[in-house]
Amino acid sequence: SQTIHQWPATLVQPVGSPLSLECTVEGTSNPNLYWYRQAAGRGLQLLFYSVGIGQISSEVPQNLSASRPQDRQFILSSKKLLLSDSGFYLCAWTDRGYGYTFGSGTRLTVV
Amino acid sequence: EDQVTQSPEALRLQEGESSSLNCSYTVSGLRGLFWYRQDPGKGPEFLFTLYSAGEEKEKERLKATLTKKESFLHITAPKPEDSATYLCAFERGGGNKLTFGTGTQLKVEL
Repeated sequence: SQTIHQWPATLVQPVGSPLSLECTVEGTSNPNLYWYRQAAGRGLQLLFYSVGIGQISSEVPQNLSASRPQDRQFILSSKKLLLSDSGFYLCAWTDRGYGYTFGSGTRLTVV
Repeated sequence: EDQVTQSPEALRLQEGESSSLNCSYTVSGLRGLFWYRQDPGKGPEFLFTLYSAGEEKEKERLKATLTKKESFLHITAPKPEDSATYLCAFERGGGNKLTFGTGTQLKVEL
């Protein structure tokens, strides 16, 4: 069966520090991968998605970047965090036709 | 511009008091309309996908329906454990992504 792993679960980082969040999927190959962000009391905003290794589409201009170094690995990064980067970050995957499955999320607080 | 709008933003029900959540959409070439449940501090959990007007799907106390302009999530005789935020989202034909509404926060009280 397919599973999605996302870590860490919580993270507190100072302003100006770097960020790296990792997401991996098991039990499938060549999935579409996604990073969403959810602000408090808001819906999910799509940040990046990838349809294959090295292929990244950015949905909104921001202080973040994404990379897909391996088929089932998706990384969200920042060189210098801003206060406005705080939020709940969610990774998701789909194999194109069988629904979208979400990870358990990372709560990021920038202080 | 494609979008989904969910109402109400929040809903408080007594246990056993049935109700419906609404998801209105304007989407060119809708491929699928999705419903998710999200508990606090957790990722969304998939409930249903609806693909064409007139389609209905059920799971326990939940039933999702779809028309050409909106989708409803009907909750029959809810229990406190049904308390959560319910999110709807759409996928366009030829697209590779889900676009979400802002959700309905449901609280079911004893």
